[in-house]
Amino acid sequence: NAGVTQTPKFRVLKTGQSMTLLCAQDMNHEYMYWYRQDPGMGLRLIHYSVGEGTTAKGEVPDGYNVSRLKKQNFLLGLESAAPSQTSVYFCASSTSRGYYNEQFFGPGTRLTVL
Amino acid sequence: KNEVEQSPQNLTAQEGEFITINCSYSVGISALHWLQQHPGGGIVSLFMLSSGKKKHGRLIATINIQEKHSSLHITASHPRDSAVYICAVRSLDFGNEKLTFGTGTRLTIIP
Repeated sequence: NAGVTQTPKFRVLKTGQSMTLLCAQDMNHEYMYWYRQDPGMGLRLIHYSVGEGTTAKGEVPDGYNVSRLKKQNFLLGLESAAPSQTSVYFCASSTSRGYYNEQFFGPGTRLTVL
Repeated sequence: KNEVEQSPQNLTAQEGEFITINCSYSVGISALHWLQQHPGGGIVSLFMLSSGKKKHGRLIATINIQEKHSSLHITASHPRDSAVYICAVRSLDFGNEKLTFGTGTRLTIIP
């Protein structure tokens, strides 16, 4: 099993450009999450999905859109990138959102917006 | 004030030393997680606990719900333990479950 994979691993964008980050999991997990990690701050939830065809906003959703057309994939889109979106993005998945669920993380995507 | 505070922010120790990383939180929680972020960036879950103590190999995690405090201990530390250790708490926010992460403790073990 590959677990959770993310593509691309690195990306440099110019302000105003758009891009899509792809997260894929092969563990048949229902729940998937997108986080961003910034220096001096903990991971912050951008959007999440509780199942195929569903999405919900997290703590910092502005400037991002997501889609979960297939259970195994969770896409994060930036329609018009801004320098404030320079960050490391992590995708995670879990079997449930119950109290004891364990989240499995992808390797991260380092995005720089110039 | 952050809901989750970790200390120290950075810790350097010699190989073999006993390591303690602390996590304090200010909200009522249902569970606490300890995660490890490798130098390459990957994040793995180490422990989930809601009471008492858990042990896995050289790692021990404890939690005191009354004092809103958890510790992660590493016995006989090794350079391969060098990583960022992240504490995260699971709580309810207006009926929605929420996971709040600390900023991490960067541990460096010197051979």
